[in-house]
Amino acid sequence: GAGVSQSPRYKVAKRGQDVALRCDPISGHVSLFWYQQALGQGPEFLTYFQNEAQLDKSGLPSDRFFAERPEGSVSTLKIQRTQQEDSAVYLCASSLGRVDEQYFGPGTRLTVT
Amino acid sequence: AQSVAQPEDQVNVAEGNPLTVKCTYSVSGNPYLFWYVQYPNRGLQFLLKYITGDNLVKGSYGFEAEFNKSQTSFHLKKPSALVSDSALYFCAVRRSGGSYIPTFGRGTSLIVHP
Repeated sequence: GAGVSQSPRYKVAKRGQDVALRCDPISGHVSLFWYQQALGQGPEFLTYFQNEAQLDKSGLPSDRFFAERPEGSVSTLKIQRTQQEDSAVYLCASSLGRVDEQYFGPGTRLTVT
Repeated sequence: AQSVAQPEDQVNVAEGNPLTVKCTYSVSGNPYLFWYVQYPNRGLQFLLKYITGDNLVKGSYGFEAEFNKSQTSFHLKKPSALVSDSALYFCAVRRSGGSYIPTFGRGTSLIVHP
């Protein structure tokens, strides 16, 4: 079966541009997480969905960051007016339920110039 | 608050020798503990987890980890290292019965020399 996929794998944006990052979780996985991973660091939590409901967005660094999962499957992380400090790898992970291990996508490397 | 410490940025071991990658944690209540491995340009892959039960947990690729409540540790081990085990290893913790958000350590780079 297919794993978690993310697109694009690499994105270069000019400062001030908007970007949209897509995540296709494993079919049937209820939980979906977004993380930000800076170089040399572990993943940092951004937001969590249970089906289509965004239950926690406490990790989003600013109101420029927005995530959605309208039909409870595919999710999109949108960053408006990108800044250089947004440069990082954005990881998506899904799991069957809240207590289960997570399955990660390959990530999207965002570079803001 | 919960936190994870991986005290070693890098661990070097010769192929065939045993390896240990250290992890200590802090969490209120009982922990759920996880180890993930990350290969270059790939996402994290689940290795093993401790939820409850036996303190020694066995996982993928011959890895195991021992949960030690008194020392708040969850060290990853393998009896005989392979060159292909070279990768970045992350320990993660979350609190049972409450927050579903895991906290990850900074990662430890494991280098296995032929």
